[in-house]
Amino acid sequence: GAVVSQHPSWVICKSGTSVKIECRSLDFQATTMFWYRQFPKQSLMLMATSNEGSKATYEQGVEKDKFLINHASLTLSTLTVTSAHPEDSSFYICSARVLGEQYFGPGTRLTVT
Amino acid sequence: AQSVTQLDSQVPVFEEAPVELRCNYSSSVSVYLFWYVQYPNQGLQLLLKYLSGSTLVKGINGFEAEFNKSQTSFHLRKPSVHISDTAEYFCAVSVRDYKLSFGAGTTVTVRA
Repeated sequence: GAVVSQHPSWVICKSGTSVKIECRSLDFQATTMFWYRQFPKQSLMLMATSNEGSKATYEQGVEKDKFLINHASLTLSTLTVTSAHPEDSSFYICSARVLGEQYFGPGTRLTVT
Repeated sequence: AQSVTQLDSQVPVFEEAPVELRCNYSSSVSVYLFWYVQYPNQGLQLLLKYLSGSTLVKGINGFEAEFNKSQTSFHLRKPSVHISDTAEYFCAVSVRDYKLSFGAGTTVTVRA
């Protein structure tokens, strides 16, 4: 089956620093990837849609300058949380779409101290 | 826009008992419906999906769901649960843009 990986799986950073999270489709090419955010005991909220070779489309209320998304190739999308603050601490999950179905990565837990 | 309501936030159930997780959706257009399972600190795994055709959908791990258009529901069932079914379950809906809208989730706790 289609496999999506994320790196790192867990990251702790200091307030004010930036963190990059990678999302890779391992055995297929994905023209579209999605980034979600999940708070503890809550559902997933779509942050943005990432299309290869073009700018990401952000959902309402998501700061484009804070959450930088780059989809440089058909197998890699990155999410950079810039100038992170404790309220950015969350579980970030990506998914890759192929043939109409989304395959999810294992998630990255970000803790900002 | 479409939305999903999962009617039960927590469902405790004994091992080998049946379980039903309820999901209702709202949409002005035709939808695709999904059930996902999430184990602690992991991503989501697709249990089953309804795109078209037969309203009874069978998925992995013995789960099934029935699409009911008149009641705008997509309830998930399993006739006999195992301890390993303890997890968070999410119902989701999408339309042609493939963006998924998730319900709040249902925590299933299976007890021996």
